[in-house]
Amino acid sequence: NAGVMQNPRHLVRRRGQEARLRCSPMKGHSHVYWYRQLPEEGLKFMVYLQKENIIDESGMPKERFSAEFPKEGPSILRIQQVVRGDSAAYFCASSPTWRGLQETQYFGPGTRLLVL
Amino acid sequence: QKEVEQDPGPLSVPEGAIVSLNCTYSNSAFQYFMWYRQYSRKGPELLMYTYSSGNKEDGRFTAQVDKSSKYISLFIRDSQPSDSATYLCAMTFSGGYNKLIFGAGTRLAVHP
Repeated sequence: NAGVMQNPRHLVRRRGQEARLRCSPMKGHSHVYWYRQLPEEGLKFMVYLQKENIIDESGMPKERFSAEFPKEGPSILRIQQVVRGDSAAYFCASSPTWRGLQETQYFGPGTRLLVL
Repeated sequence: QKEVEQDPGPLSVPEGAIVSLNCTYSNSAFQYFMWYRQYSRKGPELLMYTYSSGNKEDGRFTAQVDKSSKYISLFIRDSQPSDSATYLCAMTFSGGYNKLIFGAGTRLAVHP
């Protein structure tokens, strides 16, 4: 009964490199959310995806950030040309498909990105 | 003004104390209210989930929602050192799948 899985758990990149963060939702969940947590702050919504569709990307920066959730495989959050301000913990959450529980979101352990 | 306000603490209490954690919010459209517990360098763990106003109890934890005051609370009875963590309130709208809006989190320390 695996929970939400994220990898890598820790990622170090130099300025200008690309970061790829992966998320596999819980079994039976086909809705994925990405959140970012800066030090000493709460989680901020970035994007909500279903399989092969981006439903809400209102929290995503307009440039350098993209997300996908392909038919097969994990969801990917991609950050191009990283800058120091991208250093944060990135959390993925998934929610059940069946009615009545859509609002509950279960979080993975996070990927901690450090940009040097 | 933030949509969800939460005192960051830290809050330090002795073991066995009753802990009260609170959040206020400004958007009356919120219908679902959650409390998450986050241990240091871990992901948030869902503790309590409440729809609209009222109380919900689960073991030592009680969640209260007062929509008229736009105020939610989490009470922890007989607090234990293992309860030491950051507690995040979160809320969202009705109508299916929606983003969660989080408070900043309250850091709680329960000392033996």
